[in-house]
This record gives sequence, C-alpha cells and structure tokens, in this order.
Amino acid sequence: AQSVAQPEDQVNVAEGNPLTVKCTYSVSGNPYLFWYVQYPNRGLQFLLKYITGDNLVKGSYGFEAEFNKSQTSFHLKKPSALVSDSALYFCAVRDFISSGSARQLTFGSGTQLTVLP
Amino acid sequence: DGGITQSPKYLFRKEGQNVTLSCEQNLNHDAMYWYRQDPGQGLRLIYYSQIVNDFQKGDIAEGYSVSREKKESFPLTVTSAQKNPTAFYLCASSIVDGKLFFGSGTQLSVL
Repeated sequence: AQSVAQPEDQVNVAEGNPLTVKCTYSVSGNPYLFWYVQYPNRGLQFLLKYITGDNLVKGSYGFEAEFNKSQTSFHLKKPSALVSDSALYFCAVRDFISSGSARQLTFGSGTQLTVLP
Repeated sequence: DGGITQSPKYLFRKEGQNVTLSCEQNLNHDAMYWYRQDPGQGLRLIYYSQIVNDFQKGDIAEGYSVSREKKESFPLTVTSAQKNPTAFYLCASSIVDGKLFFGSGTQLSVL
C-alpha cells in the first residue's frame, strides 16, 4: 500500500525567509509525486509534480520541490516566503506503474503554512 | 473560462434527508472524482468515474451515491445513511494520468 506523511501540522516562517514543507512517501514502485495548495474555503490548486528526470522540480508561484529517492522525500521549498503563501499544503503520491487515472492518488494530511510579516 | 463549478457553496441537511451536491466541468475531462475533507485528515476519495455511465467506489463510499449520465456532470448524493456528513466536499476532474483540477468545494453541515 502507498502512503504519504507530512510530519508537521503547522509551519511558521518569517516573510523573506526560506521555507520548507516536508513530505515523505512510500510506494511499491517508482513514485509519481504532487504538491497542491489550498486557500481557505477553496479547492486545491496544483503547484508541481515529479515523474522522472531532474530531482529539483520547479512549479507555480516560485515554489520548487526536491525529490530524494534514498530518503523517500519530496520536500516543498521556496527561497523567500511571502505572506500570501500562507495556506494549507498537501503532498500526494501514486505508484507510477499503476495504470489508469488518479484513482490511486494518496494525499497527506496537510501542513498549514503561516508566513509572518 | 474553463473549470469546475460546484454548487451550492454551503448546504444544510436535516435528519433523515438526502441532499445532492452539484459538480459540472467544461474541461472535457473523462475522469471525475469526489473527495471528502475533514480537518487534519487530508482528502479521502468517495467515488470516481473514468467514463460516462461508469463509476467506482472509493475508500469511503458508504452513505453516498453518484451518477455520471453526462461527461460534464458528476453529482453526489449524501444519503440519510451517512451518519456523519458534516465535511467539506471537493469535486475534481482530470485527463487519464493527469493532474487533478478541483472545484471550490461545498461545505455541508447538519441542522
């Protein structure tokens, strides 16, 4: 069975400082990894994904994520946080070998990021 | 604008009542999904449909029903059998193997 862990329920960072939101995963094959962001009372928005290739993936709004196979991690990062980055962030994973749709996508429990002015 | 529209934004259910949440997409996506979101638990899959007239149970389908009569529409009914329906419900769509596009959600509460 596949699983995702976001070990921090809450991350606080000062505006202008770098931020990291952690994610570790477990799948039987090669992973297909996503980050989504959710603003209050809204649906989730896609930030970035990793399928294969470069371990550093660049996404929307200046975010990037680093895939580390040996540590089974896919941490979300941004060099300089903005107050507007404050939101709920979800990591998701599925086995790349799995056929079909996003049915097999497993979401983490989410990390609330607060950027302090 | 292309996207997914969920309605209503807020919905209240009385005891013993069935309620239906609407989800419409104009992205021409084959696959559609319903997720339930509870605080601190992430998203859990209720039902999904990969093509018209076909749908499959997700991880927490008990107490819910769906239909997929048109490609654009995937309504979710929360039946009276669902004893704890209070949650934020999210509809999503995708091309096969693609990223998910989400609607803005419906908050369901029990009166």
